[in-house]
Amino acid sequence: GAVVSQHPSWVICKSGTSVKIECRSLDFQATTMFWYRQFPKQSLMLMATSNEGSKATYEQGVEKDKFLINHASLTLSTLTVTSAHPEDSSFYICSAFTSGTGPDTQYFGPGTRLTVL
Amino acid sequence: SQQGEEDPQALSIQEGENATMNCSYKTSINNLQWYRQNSGRGLVHLILIRSNEREKHSGRLRVTLDTSKKSSSLLITASRAADTASYFCAAIQGAQKLVFGQGTRLTINP
Repeated sequence: GAVVSQHPSWVICKSGTSVKIECRSLDFQATTMFWYRQFPKQSLMLMATSNEGSKATYEQGVEKDKFLINHASLTLSTLTVTSAHPEDSSFYICSAFTSGTGPDTQYFGPGTRLTVL
Repeated sequence: SQQGEEDPQALSIQEGENATMNCSYKTSINNLQWYRQNSGRGLVHLILIRSNEREKHSGRLRVTLDTSKKSSSLLITASRAADTASYFCAAIQGAQKLVFGQGTRLTINP
């Protein structure tokens, strides 16, 4: 089956620094990837849709200047949390779908736990 | 906004019992999906049921869909300790956005 990886799996950073999270589709090409944020004991909230070769589409309430998304290739999307603050501490998950199955079936990465001190 | 609301929010049962989780949604859907998430991990796709289907089975999983009531249920039969996880329903909103319900935290006690 399709595999999506994320790196790093966890990161701890100081307040004010920037953190980059990578999402890779390992065995398929993904023109579209999605970034979600999940706070403890809560559901996944879609942050943005990452499109290869074009600007990301952000959900309402998500600051595009704070959460920079770059979909540089068909297998890689990155999320950079700029000037991170403790309230940005969360579990960040990406997903992608294959052209064969379409958006109905999304494959999720294992997630990245971000802790901002 | 989230598509689905799930109940119960938390469920604790004994191993071997059946677990039932419910999901209600607000808008029309083409299909509804269920995912499992182990603590601190990514999501695993369990099953997809299309709007023209009423029931679907996969191993110990049984999913029902009632489009007139805008609701779905996930039944796990003969539960095992390894079934302990959070379960989410989700549906596509618009062209490709997957919107999740609030989830049910299931605990299977040995």
